[in-house]
Amino acid sequence: DTGVSQDPRHKITKRGQNVTFRCDPISEHNRLYWYRQTLGQGPEFLTYFQNEAQLEKSRLLSDRFSAERPKGSFSTLEIQRTEQGDSAMYLCASSRRGDNQPQHFGDGTRLSIL
Amino acid sequence: GESVGLHLPTLSVQEGDNSIINCAYSNSASDYFIWYKQESGKGPQFIIDIRSNMDKRQGQRVTVLLNKTVKHLSLQIAATQPGDSAVYFCAENIGGTYKYIFGTGTRLKVLA
Repeated sequence: DTGVSQDPRHKITKRGQNVTFRCDPISEHNRLYWYRQTLGQGPEFLTYFQNEAQLEKSRLLSDRFSAERPKGSFSTLEIQRTEQGDSAMYLCASSRRGDNQPQHFGDGTRLSIL
Repeated sequence: GESVGLHLPTLSVQEGDNSIINCAYSNSASDYFIWYKQESGKGPQFIIDIRSNMDKRQGQRVTVLLNKTVKHLSLQIAATQPGDSAVYFCAENIGGTYKYIFGTGTRLKVLA
């Protein structure tokens, strides 16, 4: 169990640029989740995949956000035309199939918009 | 590194004392709960979980208590150590969904 891995750990970019983050879940986990966390707050749910299917999306996920998990393993989260308000920590988590399975988190990607 | 939760409620305890961190959850349909520990610059780390058919669960130095009547969850840490200093979040899972709702978080400071 190597844990959930996220890349990059930090991303600094200018407003208006596109950014893409990668998440590699724990290998035997078929569920994958993206969250956003701002300072002083708990993580907020963005979207959820079971294998390659994106089954749930939060209304926080605007049209500028897209997530994929093409082969049911790693996932990418892309933000287009970044805005100041997108500055946050983007966390990925994974879990096993089944009810009441704990989600295990990566260390996140810290996005800063200049 | 950056701090998680600059303006969170803070609990300060002496090293060796017991800590109790409380959480009020929001949805009576929630049937699974997790406590996470988050250190600065890192993601939330799983500590302990409890299902709604239980009212107490114990781990190593930690105990979670669940009171469904008042929708209250607590985390007890025995013999608190400096390494326990972090922000602690409770998370609830509404039955039949895959979404976890996180509480505000409490910063635990362990005083030497």
